[in-house]
Amino acid sequence: DAGVTQSPTHLIKTRGQQVTLRCSPKSGHDTVSWYQQALGQGPQFIFQYYEEEERQRGNFPDRFSGHQFPNYSSELNVNALLLGDSALYLCASTGKEETQYFGPGTRLLVL
Amino acid sequence: GENVEQHPSTLSVQEGDSAVIKCTYSDSASNYFPWYKQELGKRPQLIIDIRSNVGEKKDQRIAVTLNKTAKHFSLHITETQPEDSAVYFCAASMGSNTGKLIFGQGTTLQVKP
Repeated sequence: DAGVTQSPTHLIKTRGQQVTLRCSPKSGHDTVSWYQQALGQGPQFIFQYYEEEERQRGNFPDRFSGHQFPNYSSELNVNALLLGDSALYLCASTGKEETQYFGPGTRLLVL
Repeated sequence: GENVEQHPSTLSVQEGDSAVIKCTYSDSASNYFPWYKQELGKRPQLIIDIRSNVGEKKDQRIAVTLNKTAKHFSLHITETQPEDSAVYFCAASMGSNTGKLIFGQGTTLQVKP
C-alpha cells in the first residue's frame, strides 16, 4: 500500500520563474491538501482539493494555484517566484477517516 | 483570527522522564486536534489525534488531553526514550471542517540518554 508521494524532492529556481510540484495521494484517499513549511516553523495551509475543485484556501496570494486530476493526484503551481517562497512544500492526503497523512515534501530554493 | 499557540519551543528531559507540550487554539468551532512528530529532514508523522467529543485519549506512552472550555490541549509522553527526540507540532482544525489545519510553531524535544 503506497503512501503519499511527492516529486521532485528538491528544486532550485530563480526569482520570477514558475514552478510545478506534484503529489500522489495514499491509496484510497480522495482529498489532497498543500502546506508550506518555512525553516523552523509549523506547516501553513495553502489549499485543499476534493473532487477536482479547490474546497478551502489559506492566506496565500493568487500566485499559488493548484489542480486535482481524476485519479486524485494533485499539482501545486507557484508563479512569479519570490525569495520568500523558499520552503518545504508538503502535501497531505485524506480519506474517509479525515486524518491527514503527509508526503515527504519538495524542498524549493529560490535564488 | 486563526491561531494555535504552542509551548514550550524547546524541551530537554532525561531518558525515562515525562514530557508535556501544551497548545491553545482560538477558534471555538475547532473539533479535531492532531499531533505530529517530525524528525530532521523527514515528513510530519501523525502520532495521536483527538476529537472534541473526547476529553482524553491514550496510546501506549503517549496521551492527549483536551479542555474545550479553556480551548487548550496537551501532549503527554511518559518514559521518554532517545528516539522520541524530534520536533512535535500540535494542530487544530478550523471550524467544523477538519480539512484546514492550523499548526503550532513546534516544540523541539531532546531526550538525553
